[in-house]
Amino acid sequence: GAVVSQHPSRVICKSGTSVKIECRSLDFQATTMFWYRQFPKQSLMLMATSNEGSKATYEQGVEKDKFLINHASLTLSTLTVTSAHPEDSSFYICSAKTGPSGDYGYTFGSGTRLTVV
Amino acid sequence: AQSVTQLDSQVPVFEEAPVELRCNYSSSVSVYLFWYVQYPNQGLQLLLKYLSGSTLVESINGFEAEFNKSQTSFHLRKPSVHISDTAEYFCAVSDRGANNLFFGTGTRLTVIP
Repeated sequence: GAVVSQHPSRVICKSGTSVKIECRSLDFQATTMFWYRQFPKQSLMLMATSNEGSKATYEQGVEKDKFLINHASLTLSTLTVTSAHPEDSSFYICSAKTGPSGDYGYTFGSGTRLTVV
Repeated sequence: AQSVTQLDSQVPVFEEAPVELRCNYSSSVSVYLFWYVQYPNQGLQLLLKYLSGSTLVESINGFEAEFNKSQTSFHLRKPSVHISDTAEYFCAVSDRGANNLFFGTGTRLTVIP
């Protein structure tokens, strides 16, 4: 079946530095990928929709300049947290749409636990 | 806008007992409904989904969920749970024709031997 690989699974960084998270579709082409953020005991919140070859669509309240998304190929989307601060510490999850329109097949990565110290 | 409520954050249940994980949603339009399961240190996996047709949907590992439009619910049930069912379960909703999913806060199912 469709597999989405997310890397790294855990990262600790210093405040003020940038961190890049990768999301790869291993055995299918993903024209659309999604980035979510999950706070403890809260829902997964959609941050942005990443479209291959075009700019990402950000949800209201998500800072575009802080969370840079690049979807340069059909198998890779990256999320870069720039100038990270402790409040950016969270669990980030990506997903890719695998089915044709209307099938609603989504495959999720295993998530990245970001801790900013 | 859609929202999803999972009232129970944690559900402990003994092995081979039945379980129900509750999910209610709110939406002004027709929706698609999903249940995802997340095992420790793994991504979310689709358990089952309701798109149209029969309101009772089943998964391959014995779970089922019933779409109840009047009660705006999509509760997940299993008549007899196994230790291996211990995981986090997320209910999600999507507007028909939309790309994104709105998730509930999740329910931690713990099966006790």
